[in-house]
Amino acid sequence: QKEVEQDPGPLSVPEGAIVSLNCTYSNSAFQYFMWYRQYSRKGPELLMYTYSSGNKEDGRFTAQVDKSSKYISLFIRDSQPSDSATYLCAMSAHTDKLIFGTGTRLQVFP
Amino acid sequence: GAVVSQHPSRVICKSGTSVKIECRSLDFQATTMFWYRQFPKQSLMLMATSNEGSKATYEQGVEKDKFLINHASLTLSTLTVTSAHPEDSSFYICSAREGKVTGELFFGEGSRLTVL
Repeated sequence: QKEVEQDPGPLSVPEGAIVSLNCTYSNSAFQYFMWYRQYSRKGPELLMYTYSSGNKEDGRFTAQVDKSSKYISLFIRDSQPSDSATYLCAMSAHTDKLIFGTGTRLQVFP
Repeated sequence: GAVVSQHPSRVICKSGTSVKIECRSLDFQATTMFWYRQFPKQSLMLMATSNEGSKATYEQGVEKDKFLINHASLTLSTLTVTSAHPEDSSFYICSAREGKVTGELFFGEGSRLTVL
C-alpha cells in the first residue's frame, strides 16, 4: 500500500463548478499537509498548508484535514479554466521528507 | 514570494555523458535543498536531501555515485547525473527551504533531461 493515495483523474468540470480533490494516507504520524498546483512542464507551487486537523480557507480554495479518517481534501469554488492543472497533495511527519500523492489532473472547460 | 531558479530547464545529452543541473535560491538562504525526480504521470519522488556544507542524504534506491549532489553555499545546490542513460530521462525538480523544518518549501521550475 502506498503511503499516500490520490486519484490521478483526469477530472473534467465546467467553469463555475465546485471541485473536490482528495487524498488518503496510511501514516498516522503525518502532521503537515499541503496542496500544490503544477502546470504542465513547471515546478509545483504551494496552494495550501495545514497543520494537523481542521479547515483552512484562502479565497476560492478550502483545505480540510481529517486525521481520524486519514483523509484530506481540497475544494475549489467557482472553478476557472485557469485552474486547469495537476493538483498534488503532500504530507510529512516530523522530518523534512515530503511524501507526495500522484497528483490529480483537473480540466475546467469554459 | 521566494524564488528558486533551476537551470537548465531542458537538456538533451548522449548516453554516457554527465549532466549538471543547478538550483539557486534567489532571495533567501536555503539551509536545506531537496532534489526530486518525476516521471510522466507519476508523483514527485524525493531523491536526496542536502544541507549546506555537509554530505547529501540519499533516499533508498538512489545511487549516490550516479547522482552527485553538492550544496556548497546557502544559495546553490547542484545535481550531476553521471554517465547518464536513457532510463535517467526524467523531470528533475529542486526545492529549497529557508530556516525552520516547518517552513515553506519553494520549488524550482524543473529541468527536463532527455538522454539519447
